[in-house]
Amino acid sequence: AQTVTQSQPEMSVQEAETVTLSCTYDTSENNYYLFWYKQPPSRQMILVIRQEAYKQQNATENRFSVNFQKAAKSFSLKISDSQLGDTAMYFCAFMGQRGSNYKLTFGKGTLLTVNP
Amino acid sequence: DARVTQTPRDKVTEMGQEVTMRCQPILGHNTVFWYRQTMKQGLELLAYFRNRAPLDDSGMPKDRFSAEMPDATLATLKIQPSEPRDSAVYFCASGFTQGNEQFFGPGTRLTVL
Repeated sequence: AQTVTQSQPEMSVQEAETVTLSCTYDTSENNYYLFWYKQPPSRQMILVIRQEAYKQQNATENRFSVNFQKAAKSFSLKISDSQLGDTAMYFCAFMGQRGSNYKLTFGKGTLLTVNP
Repeated sequence: DARVTQTPRDKVTEMGQEVTMRCQPILGHNTVFWYRQTMKQGLELLAYFRNRAPLDDSGMPKDRFSAEMPDATLATLKIQPSEPRDSAVYFCASGFTQGNEQFFGPGTRLTVL
């Protein structure tokens, strides 16, 4: 079974600074998908960024980028120019490709606080 | 702006009562998921459907939980009888196929007294 580990339960950053959230995972599959979801206090789950394992290029979405290290099974999220609205829980998630496996396996989350 | 909708948003009930949560997936999506979020366990998959057929409900306590999709526009999650340990936020999500984003509803916060 796949597992996803987020080793930082909480982090804080000053507004306009850069912060990196860590995520590691364990799988025997070669092709899979990785996601970062954001959950603000409203509790709505919002997709931040998505990475396909067969693509070597790291995904980027505006201020959000990932550092995907397939051999190390690491998938960190970098937030540049942090904004107060980035304050939220961030979840790393894994989706395998075998069979009819459409489900997401989530890490425990990292609570990010952006301070003014 | 297509969204997954869930009702009710909040539910408080007493132990032993039946609880039904409803979800309307985004029109056209062929996969529907039910997740449960607790402080202790985090986000865990309860069940999911593809083209309305249940594919996996191994995460769901079979004796009290049931999930159905009576039609393409409605998914239900029922708990009977409810217990205090069922208190959690229940999310419904929908998507297309493997590897694509799952769109989450706003969740139902269930409190069982």
